[in-house]
Amino acid sequence: KNEVEQSPQNLTAQEGEFITINCSYSVGISALHWLQQHPGGGIVSLFMLSSGKKKHGRLIATINIQEKHSSLHITASHPRDSAVYICAVRSQSGGGADGLTFGKGTHLIIQP
Amino acid sequence: EPEVTQTPSHQVTQMGQEVILRCVPISNHLYFYWYRQILGQKVEFLVSFYNNEISEKSEIFDDQFSVERPDGSNFTLKIRSTKLEDSAMYFCASSGQFNSPLHFGNGTRLTVT
Repeated sequence: KNEVEQSPQNLTAQEGEFITINCSYSVGISALHWLQQHPGGGIVSLFMLSSGKKKHGRLIATINIQEKHSSLHITASHPRDSAVYICAVRSQSGGGADGLTFGKGTHLIIQP
Repeated sequence: EPEVTQTPSHQVTQMGQEVILRCVPISNHLYFYWYRQILGQKVEFLVSFYNNEISEKSEIFDDQFSVERPDGSNFTLKIRSTKLEDSAMYFCASSGQFNSPLHFGNGTRLTVT
């Protein structure tokens, strides 16, 4: 069973700061997802990646398959980026690979 | 942009009652999922559904739970006899292909009293 660990659990930063959230997992995966959950509870998919790096606006996600580690970066952070950021993985096929295994999330607060 | 819709947004029920949570996935998607999140805890996988049958279920998804896609658009989660510990936010998700991004609904908050 895959274990997904995120750090930090909580992060408070000032507007404009560069933010990094880390995710590590224990077993080989076919894909890793970064998700954003707002206070109302809704979940939005930010990235899905299996190698390398992806960028969307001010968000960048990287993954190192060998080290079983991914990072989510936010450049020029803004108060509207305040949310819980969740890492979730899909284990490699071979039984138990349909559903995602989630981390506990990183609660990010960006202060103006 | 098409989205996954869930109804109701909040359901309150008494212990032992049956509840049906409803989801309308994105119309051309083929893979459907239910997840739950107990307050303050991480999101957990319940079940995946493809080609009109369950493809995988977690240990949480016991005989009290069932899923159905009755009419080609709705995707429902039924809990036969609710328990207090079933209180959680239930999320439906869908994707067009097996390993493509998931689209989540806004969730149904189930409160069992």
